[in-house]
Order: sequence, then structure tokens, then C-alpha cells
Amino acid sequence: QKEVEQDPGPLSVPEGAIVSLNCTYSNSAFQYFMWYRQYSRKGPELLMYTYSSGNKEDGRFTAQVDKSSKYISLFIRDSQPSDSATYLCASSTGGFKTIFGAGTRLFVKA
Amino acid sequence: ETGVTQTPRHLVMGMTNKKSLKCEQHLGHNAMYWYKQSAKKPLELMFVYNFKEQTENNSVPSRFSPECPNSSHLFLHLHTLQPEDSALYLCASSQPGQINYGYTFGSGTRLTVV
Repeated sequence: QKEVEQDPGPLSVPEGAIVSLNCTYSNSAFQYFMWYRQYSRKGPELLMYTYSSGNKEDGRFTAQVDKSSKYISLFIRDSQPSDSATYLCASSTGGFKTIFGAGTRLFVKA
Repeated sequence: ETGVTQTPRHLVMGMTNKKSLKCEQHLGHNAMYWYKQSAKKPLELMFVYNFKEQTENNSVPSRFSPECPNSSHLFLHLHTLQPEDSALYLCASSQPGQINYGYTFGSGTRLTVV
């Protein structure tokens, strides 16, 4: 079993839609949860960071962690074509080893 | 120049060649990482350096040899690679104890082994 599981997609939505991206994880010791965004021919960039359970909002983006079900979510409101990218979830116990999901490729159509 | 810079951006090498990938960061970070990214697979952690000392070797074959001469520079020396080693190799840096800032990644080196 992979430590972090993520549906690779692709996911295609019309502009303005609400996007829901999800991951599950298996390691109960994970305390730190991140979402990275990766544009084509670029490296991943940190989008959202959450510690333990709860929600965090930043503009059109909301990250949600449910430790009881080991479920990580990212919601994008009013999606834009510029949101088209691969989204990677990641988890860590706080050391130097961050475990990434395979990434979900998102296409937002104008 | 700011951020994490990787060179070359693209590399094609034969199985008997020796080449090196270079990574440089100007962020003042003290931890640096090599990751391998293959299509539809999770990022695979290869090596971690903290204050120039290797702290993680994730069972990487010896045909990959890392070098970290200082906290700003990281190299990955390649020799006698296999076609399955073709992938995007990403370098990242972070500041230990500041996990909330995550990693800063370079744009990667696209490696093709022929």
C-alpha cells in the first residue's frame, strides 16, 4: 500500500466550476499536509500547508484534513484556465521525509 | 538569481556515459534534496542533505552518486544508467524546522537514457 494515494485523473472541468481534489494516506504519524501545484515543464510549488486536522482557506483555495479518516482534500472555487496544472498532495511527520502522491492532472476549459 | 536553479534542463545520455546534474539555491536553506519524478508515479525521494551531511539515501542504486560541497550546491553524478532511469530529476531545498514553508523545487532536468 502506498503511503499517500491520489487519483491521477485527468480531471476536466468548465471555467467557474468548483474543483475537488482528494488524497488518502496510511501513516497515522503524519502531522503535516501540503498541496503543491506543478505547471508543465516546471517544478512543484507549495500551494497550501495544513497542520493536523482542520480547514485552511487562502483566496479561492481551501485545504481540508480529516485525520480520523486519513483524508486530504483541496477545493478550488471559481476555477480558472490558469488553474490547469498537476496538483500533488504531500504528507510528513515533520522530518526530512515528505511523501508525495502521484498528482492529479486538472484541465479547466474556458 | 533567486530560487533553485537546475542545469542542464534536458540531457540525453548513452548507457555507458558519465554525466552530472547540478543544482544551486540562493535561498539560504540548509537542506537539499534529490527527487525522481516518473509519469503517473509519486515523487520518489532519492537523497537528503542537511548542512552538507547526507541524512537519507532511499535505497538508490550506486549508479547515482550525490555530492553536496556546501549548503548552496548539490550534484547528482550519473554513470552506466539504464533506460528505466529516464525521468525528470528534481532538486529541492528547505529550511529545517520551517516545514510550513515547504520545499522550493527547481524546474528539473529531463533525463533520457538511450
